[in-house]
Amino acid sequence: EIVLTQSPGTLSLSPGERATLSCRASQSVSSNYLAWYQQKPGQAPRLLIFGASSRATGIPDRFSGSGSGTDFTLSISRLEPEDFAVYYCQQYGGSPPLFTFGPGTKVDVK
Amino acid sequence: EVQLLESGGGLVQPGGSLRLSCVVSGFTFSSYAMSWVRQAPGKGLEWVSGIRGSGSSSYYADAVKGRITISRDNSKNTLYLQMNSLRAEDTALYHCAKGGSAWSAYFDSWGQGTLVTVSS
Repeated sequence: EIVLTQSPGTLSLSPGERATLSCRASQSVSSNYLAWYQQKPGQAPRLLIFGASSRATGIPDRFSGSGSGTDFTLSISRLEPEDFAVYYCQQYGGSPPLFTFGPGTKVDVK
Repeated sequence: EVQLLESGGGLVQPGGSLRLSCVVSGFTFSSYAMSWVRQAPGKGLEWVSGIRGSGSSSYYADAVKGRITISRDNSKNTLYLQMNSLRAEDTALYHCAKGGSAWSAYFDSWGQGTLVTVSS
């Protein structure tokens, strides 16, 4: 089973700053099978990025994903007040197929 | 507009059973894979089970294998999760999640969840 590790656990930034979130896998992950989600308190997760770098419908272009193999990154170019939330990476793979999530990175206001 | 509405959660004793439902609208249900993803209080996301759009194949996380059964009724636009032999560690908010295709590597829509509490 592939284990995902996210860092940092908490990222304290100010609005307007750039956020860089890391997701590292214990084994190589196909780029097609890496996604990122945003979750705000009391809300369901929202898909941001799929296929490592494709933005989901309606996601602003300040969100971008990159990476391959075992190292993936979610970047938020300029933090807006509504971007303070928890972010999860997720991978799919294996046989039988499994979905695994990282433990999350909380982006909070500095 | 895609909508997913879960129901069926509640308080159940250890060893008990529950059946969760997820009624969907706004898309052609039979064309999309569906999954259940849970979130223990204050914790992260954990995939529980998934089923192909046709219902032909289903998959389970090791933590629930043998105790939980996923199913769907494409005529009723409804996804189910039959949960048996429940344990305290099954306590969580259970979200249904829509895949991006008939079988998909990601989840593009989520319900708000239904809370399952396993306690004596």
